[in-house]
Amino acid sequence: QQQVKQSPQSLIVQKGGISIINCAYENTAFDYFPWYQQFPGKGPALLIAIRPDVSEKKEGRFTISFNKSAKQFSLHIMDSQPGDSATYFCAASINSGYALNFGKGTSLLVTP
Amino acid sequence: GAVVSQHPSRVICKSGTSVKIECRSLDFQATTMFWYRQFPKQSLMLMATSNEGSKATYEQGVEKDKFLINHASLTLSTLTVTSAHPEDSSFYICSARDFSGNTIYFGEGSWLTVV
Repeated sequence: QQQVKQSPQSLIVQKGGISIINCAYENTAFDYFPWYQQFPGKGPALLIAIRPDVSEKKEGRFTISFNKSAKQFSLHIMDSQPGDSATYFCAASINSGYALNFGKGTSLLVTP
Repeated sequence: GAVVSQHPSRVICKSGTSVKIECRSLDFQATTMFWYRQFPKQSLMLMATSNEGSKATYEQGVEKDKFLINHASLTLSTLTVTSAHPEDSSFYICSARDFSGNTIYFGEGSWLTVV
């Protein structure tokens, strides 16, 4: 059973545009929500993470928005670049040190 | 920064043989390591959680006798795929939780091809 639902499955954005990926969860015990970036043939790399006590976190061009009441969180990539083309996974866990429940992933293509 | 190393990065083995994949935390002690499996264009699926010095906890549907996990030290966990079959071909990724318990680091993954 997929505990974290992610959409869209794929996304095409023009260079300079905003990429938005959404995730939803059901388990209210989750309190750690990271986003990972994965390039083909590589392991996932942590991009940014948020906890439920804040509604937004920004690191460079990456922003997480978190809506606790709706049990949703999203990743915004500002000024998207071709180098951002990768698969993005949202995840959730009960604690930052526990096993992660991954979404199905979003394949992002940023066109020149 | 903290690094988790997996070896080998790619391995090809014959059907019926066993293959071992190592996961090492290079500059921190990992009391817990996680093993994931990822098929092409799919998400990471947790296979098992291994704690140093104790038996691994397997997720539902994962055969513990087929996927042997050993976490003998605070810096090393191994996954052995026994009697491998072509359907075991996949990308196997480990992650490790640092001793503070606050951060998980992922390895680069190991491609297994069973022919």
